[in-house]
Amino acid sequence: AQSVTQPDIHITVSEGASLELRCNYSYGATPYLFWYVQSPGQGLQLLLKYFSGDTLVQGIKGFEAEFKRSQSSFNLRKPSVHWSDAAEYFCAVVTNAGKSTFGDGTTLTVKP
Amino acid sequence: DAGVIQSPRHEVTEMGQEVTLRCKPISGHDYLFWYRQTMMRGLELLIYFNNNVPIDDSGMPEDRFSAKMPNASFSTLKIQPSEPRDSAVYFCASSLLIRGNTIYFGEGSWLTVV
Repeated sequence: AQSVTQPDIHITVSEGASLELRCNYSYGATPYLFWYVQSPGQGLQLLLKYFSGDTLVQGIKGFEAEFKRSQSSFNLRKPSVHWSDAAEYFCAVVTNAGKSTFGDGTTLTVKP
Repeated sequence: DAGVIQSPRHEVTEMGQEVTLRCKPISGHDYLFWYRQTMMRGLELLIYFNNNVPIDDSGMPEDRFSAKMPNASFSTLKIQPSEPRDSAVYFCASSLLIRGNTIYFGEGSWLTVV
């Protein structure tokens, strides 16, 4: 069965600083990988996804993520964080059969 | 497209009552998912359907929970009888397999059982 680990429960960064959120997955084949963001009281919004091709994928709001097969990782990055980026971030893996597994999420706090 | 539509957005009910949550997936999507989100357990996949057929219900917590998808445009998640520990946000989501399995979420149904 697939699994997703987000090692950091909570991260605090200063506005303008760079950000990296970690995600490790376990799946026997090449997965579909996603990052979602959830603001308080809202549903989950897709930031970006990887399913083939270039291992560095660009998403909305200036986010990017890099798929590293050798490390089973799909870390999310942003060069300069804005206060509006404060939210909870979820990494997810979806199998070829369509089954989805989400990580436990990382809460991002942005300091002024 | 209108997105995934869930109703009700908020519900407060008394323990023992039946709760029915409703979902309309994005038109044309062939997968439908029900998730539950709580502080303690995070985001849990309860059940998912492919072409209206339940594929995996291993996440359904117990027999009090049931889900149906009578047609491609409608699904329900029912809790009977409800208990306080069922209080959570329930998300419905849908996807189209052929398009890289992006899952589109509804805004959630916030359930409180008192």
